[in-house]
Amino acid sequence: QTVVTQEASLTVSPGGTVTLTCASATGEVTSGHYPRWFQQKAGQAPRALIYSVSTRYSWTPARFSGSLLGGKAALTISGVQSDDEADYYCLLFSGGPGDVVFGGGTKLTVL
Amino acid sequence: QVQLVQSGAEVRKPGASVRVSCKASGYSFTSYDIYWVRQATGQGLEWMGWMNTNSGNTGRAQKFQGRVTMTRNTSINTAYMELSSLTSEDTAVYYCATSLQYWGQGTPVTVSS
Repeated sequence: QTVVTQEASLTVSPGGTVTLTCASATGEVTSGHYPRWFQQKAGQAPRALIYSVSTRYSWTPARFSGSLLGGKAALTISGVQSDDEADYYCLLFSGGPGDVVFGGGTKLTVL
Repeated sequence: QVQLVQSGAEVRKPGASVRVSCKASGYSFTSYDIYWVRQATGQGLEWMGWMNTNSGNTGRAQKFQGRVTMTRNTSINTAYMELSSLTSEDTAVYYCATSLQYWGQGTPVTVSS
């Protein structure tokens, strides 16, 4: 099964901008992987943020944006708020049957 | 509004099986796939499998081949995930999610002798 890698942890100041990335061990991440991003706060179920690279759900604040960057999927949070402190997971569809993989997650600290 | 309500916490002995249910409301149940994801304490999310709720077709992560069974009852808008031959490494919170968009609250499963 494909290995998907994310930064283990990142720290950002309130009001700042941070970019989280999602890399595939098999090579470049493309739109064909339909990258998704999820936010999970302590003790809660995950919440979907972004699908198909960059499409936000109706509940996703505009400060969250998705893109492809340097062969990886990326999630950029602009104007970071303390409420954004959470774990963030990417997911890739690798096309083969049974090949849906989550990244290991990034713990975002707002400090 | 869309809601997925999962069954309650379970405790099983090693070697046993567990079935988790996921009752959907607020949308057409057979219009969207159901995914199953688990998370061990302090660990990341792990995809287990998906089910087409219309056809009943399923796909599983290779790791769970032969051990996970996903079914549904369309008359009561409920999906099920059964995991067999449990070991302590299966202790986790199990989630269902419709098209990975809306998520259930999670079902803790503890495997202990």
